[in-house]
Amino acid sequence: AQSVTQLGSHVSVSEGALVLLRCNYSSSVPPYLFWYVQYPNQGLQLLLKYTSAATLVKGINGFEAEFKKSETSFHLTKPSAHMSDAAEYFCAVSASNTDKLIFGTGTRLQVFP
Amino acid sequence: DTGVSQDPRHKITKRGQNVTFRCDPISEHNRLYWYRQTLGQGPEFLTYFQNEAQLEKSRLLSDRFSAERPKGSFSTLEIQRTEQGDSAMYLCASSLAGRRNTGELFFGEGSRLTVL
Repeated sequence: AQSVTQLGSHVSVSEGALVLLRCNYSSSVPPYLFWYVQYPNQGLQLLLKYTSAATLVKGINGFEAEFKKSETSFHLTKPSAHMSDAAEYFCAVSASNTDKLIFGTGTRLQVFP
Repeated sequence: DTGVSQDPRHKITKRGQNVTFRCDPISEHNRLYWYRQTLGQGPEFLTYFQNEAQLEKSRLLSDRFSAERPKGSFSTLEIQRTEQGDSAMYLCASSLAGRRNTGELFFGEGSRLTVL
């Protein structure tokens, strides 16, 4: 069985500040891990994914995430927030042999000027 | 490649009515997924198809819900005798299983259902 836990349903940062969105996973098999972003009234867009290659994964829009097996974490970071980053972010996990995704409850990111 | 498309984008219906949503996946994708998303929650898995075969159904999918993918291309999700608790965004996603599988799901923009 697999699951993800996103710590903090809301995160607020100032424009230019570091963004850190937390995700911890549970998986009985080697996981694939994903971060998706959702803008209001839109579907989900893939930001980045970990599929057992490099543990530091770079994605679109300047986001990156690091897979830490010892901490069962896959936190999302961005060095400098932009107003356009305001959205809902979802962490998701799948088993390496299937692409059925299990999502976390999401973190809403607000960026203040 | 036009992406995953869903129709209608919005549906308002009265309790007890039937509704049907359609999803057209990316053309070469053989897997198709349905998810449900309620306000403030992450998407919850409902069911998925590989080609025309429905391979898994969540316990969330009550007997009022039925999904089909008759020719392995588009899919429909029907909800019979709708209830107010069915109000949600219904998301469709597709992927390519097999050697070129990247594990990524490609999502449509969703169909928002409001049951009055």
